[in-house]
Amino acid sequence: AQSVTQLGSHVSVSEGALVLLRCNYSSSVPPYLFWYVQYPNQGLQLLLKYTTGATLVKGINGFEAEFKKSETSFHLTKPSAHMSDAAEYFCAVTTNFNKFYFGSGTKLNVKP
Amino acid sequence: DAGVIQSPRHEVTEMGQEVTLRCKPISGHDYLFWYRQTMMRGLELLIYFNNNVPIDDSGMPEDRFSAKMPNASFSTLKIQPSEPRDSAVYFCASSYSGLSNQPQHFGDGTRLSIL
Repeated sequence: AQSVTQLGSHVSVSEGALVLLRCNYSSSVPPYLFWYVQYPNQGLQLLLKYTTGATLVKGINGFEAEFKKSETSFHLTKPSAHMSDAAEYFCAVTTNFNKFYFGSGTKLNVKP
Repeated sequence: DAGVIQSPRHEVTEMGQEVTLRCKPISGHDYLFWYRQTMMRGLELLIYFNNNVPIDDSGMPEDRFSAKMPNASFSTLKIQPSEPRDSAVYFCASSYSGLSNQPQHFGDGTRLSIL
């Protein structure tokens, strides 16, 4: 079985500062990993995904994440936060693209 | 392209009433998922279908909940009778297994309030 742990239910950064949202996974087989973003009153939107190949993946809106097998991590980063990045972010893992396991989410607050 | 379409967007009803939530997946997608999101429990998978057949309903909380997918373009999630603790945002998502590396695509959700 797979699982996802997101450390920090709330993260607050200043505009222009580095964004780091943490995600650790558990999987007995090679995982596929995703980050989704949820804006208020909307569904989840795909931000980026890791399936195979390059371990550093780039997504929309300047976000990127690095798959580190040795650390079972898939942390999300962005060099410079914008006010528009304020949202809730979910990490997810799957091994067969059928059943996805989502983390509990991290709410990102961006201060002016 | 049209995304996953859910209706209604908001539903307010009194406890004991039947509630029906609807979902139209993206055309061509063969997997459909129903999730429930609450502050306390986060995002929970309720049930998912493959080619209109229920594959895993282990997340359905009780017999009051039922889901159907009569054809490839329509699914319903029904709660009967509804209770205040069913208040949540319910999401439908779909995906396509024919290509590798495909993510799930989510609708905008139905915000359900049971009074």
